[in-house]
Amino acid sequence: NAGVTQTPKFRVLKTGQSMTLLCAQDMNHEYMYWYRQDPGMGLRLIHYSVGEGTTAKGEVPDGYNVSRLKKQNFLLGLESAAPSQTSVYFCASSYAGRAIYEQYFGPGTRLTVT
Amino acid sequence: SQELEQSPQSLIVQEGKNLTINCTSSKTLYGLYWYKQKYGEGLIFLMMLQKGGEEKSHEKITAKLDEKKQQSSLHITASQPSHAGIYLCGADPPSNTGKLIFGQGTTLQVKP
Repeated sequence: NAGVTQTPKFRVLKTGQSMTLLCAQDMNHEYMYWYRQDPGMGLRLIHYSVGEGTTAKGEVPDGYNVSRLKKQNFLLGLESAAPSQTSVYFCASSYAGRAIYEQYFGPGTRLTVT
Repeated sequence: SQELEQSPQSLIVQEGKNLTINCTSSKTLYGLYWYKQKYGEGLIFLMMLQKGGEEKSHEKITAKLDEKKQQSSLHITASQPSHAGIYLCGADPPSNTGKLIFGQGTTLQVKP
């Protein structure tokens, strides 16, 4: 049982380049989330999904797109990277959406945009 | 919108000392989570509190949620270097569907 995995772990992009971050979970969870973590700001929700084929905006969705074509995968895309998107990105999943269901986090992807 | 405020932002304690981290919400919480993060790693779930007045313990860490469900504290007894890391509180507001909001985190250093 791998839990939540993220690919890649590190990446350096130039401004304007695009990339996709992959999150995979093997726990058959319905809900998946993408967060970014910046110093002094905790975690902020970018986008989330309540099931296969569905996505919704979180707190800071601008500049990102997501897709959930398969239940176990949640992709985060940056179409045209900007230095402001330098951050650590975490994916999480949970069985369902309410407080009684713990969110399981991946190890994070450290992204630098120059 | 709901906000979570953690205090202190950072903490340095001598090994063996007790410490408390607070998490305060501007609105009533549906649920309150505590996570720990080591540098360069993901978040590890510690505890979840849902009922007013609830208290949970795991090894030397105790978390409490006040009766009004607007404030939670995380208390570590006899701290050890293994307790070092970033502690984050997350909350599930009543209006949301699992979209946790997080405090800014408290960085804990434990000096041997």
